[in-house]
Amino acid sequence: DTAVSQTPKYLVTQMGNDKSIKCEQNLGHDTMYWYKQDSKKFLKIMFSYNNKELIINETVPNRFSPKSPDKAHLNLHINSLELGDSAVYFCASSQEGPGVNEQFFGPGTRLTVL
Amino acid sequence: GENVEQHPSTLSVQEGDSAVIKCTYSDSASNYFPWYKQELGKGPQLIIDIRSNVGEKKDQRIAVTLNKTAKHFSLHITETQPEDSAVYFCAASSPGNQFYFGTGTSLTVIP
Repeated sequence: DTAVSQTPKYLVTQMGNDKSIKCEQNLGHDTMYWYKQDSKKFLKIMFSYNNKELIINETVPNRFSPKSPDKAHLNLHINSLELGDSAVYFCASSQEGPGVNEQFFGPGTRLTVL
Repeated sequence: GENVEQHPSTLSVQEGDSAVIKCTYSDSASNYFPWYKQELGKGPQLIIDIRSNVGEKKDQRIAVTLNKTAKHFSLHITETQPEDSAVYFCAASSPGNQFYFGTGTSLTVIP
């Protein structure tokens, strides 16, 4: 009965590789998000989708490409991975659009780029 | 855009004492202020939130106060327990806009 799930939980890869992180929510929410949490624990929004449409796109390198095949899924694809991409990535969802009510976070994916 | 500042960055209290974490925000349009608790290796989880039409909200040992005029809000945890040890984040937002998170407070409750 997991509300927001992410796979994989850990991802270790070499510089230059391409990788994807998957996210699914079973809450019936309309809006989903990707956050990056750096080593200092700072949480930074990357993207937000509402009903499969991109509504928030922060200053993120275009090596990062979100894809929302349906309202319940928001995947994150990263091309040409760099050392600075190492972080914990969190997926989240909310019932309404951004800024209105609670966001439910997934367990996170710890990405390590060697 | 919005700027949220959070203090202190670390806080240690004895079990049973109270803990207070303070945040300030800059955008007067912000009207939703959630507080999240993040335990080690887990995602942030909402513990309490407050909207701008309310000055105070309480849920058992946790309370949040909001001063719209001064643009600051605070989290109060009473009778702290070891399981309260975690990183706490405040955030501010308005409809259609992202959550702007504070930089986090690492709370340690010493048994």
